[in-house]
Amino acid sequence: AIQLTQSPSSLSASVGDRVTITCRASQGISSALAWYQQKPGKAPKLLIYDASSLESGVPSRFSGSGSGTDFTLTISSLQPEDIATYYCQQFSSYPQTFGPGTKVDIK
Amino acid sequence: EVQLVESGGGLVQPGGSLRLSCAASGFTFSDHYMDWVRQAPGKGLEWVGRTRNKANSYTTEYAASVKGRFTISRDDSKSSLYLQMNSLKTEDTAVYYCARDRRDRTGSWYSDYWGQGTLVTVSS
Repeated sequence: AIQLTQSPSSLSASVGDRVTITCRASQGISSALAWYQQKPGKAPKLLIYDASSLESGVPSRFSGSGSGTDFTLTISSLQPEDIATYYCQQFSSYPQTFGPGTKVDIK
Repeated sequence: EVQLVESGGGLVQPGGSLRLSCAASGFTFSDHYMDWVRQAPGKGLEWVGRTRNKANSYTTEYAASVKGRFTISRDDSKSSLYLQMNSLKTEDTAVYYCARDRRDRTGSWYSDYWGQGTLVTVSS
């Protein structure tokens, strides 16, 4: 099974800061990666698919990049409503594994 | 509006069985792959399995942790997805989400809509 690691596991940043989360795959997955946002007690929400495609309705401050084994999710200007845990998931092969998550807080 | 509503969760003893349902509306259910994903209390997301659509013979995929114990099925006439869980273990305790999959330009199927989840507790 393909393993996904995320770094950092948590971060604290100020409103307006640029935030970057990294997801690394144990083997190449081309661009078959998605990013989800999950707020406490809520279902995950799709932000980015195909590594860099912004899901409809998602604010443009979210962006994704990467291919192969290394991927990033960037929030260009952190907002209070972005407080959540962020997960990557690979869709290259089964089982379709998730990363362990990155918890984002406001400083 | 796409809606996914899970039901059927509850308390079950180790070794027992439970069947979860997911009622879908707002889209053509038969066109889509569907997934089950779970989340143990305070933990991350774990993919459980997938059912493909009729065009792909309703074939299924499972995580190793549930293969042979869980079965995913669907009834397109009722726009419903099911998860039959047998031989339940305490480590199966989790919120179970159903998710709709959408095909992108590269041919990959991504989970774009999720239900609110149903809690399964396995305990004696």
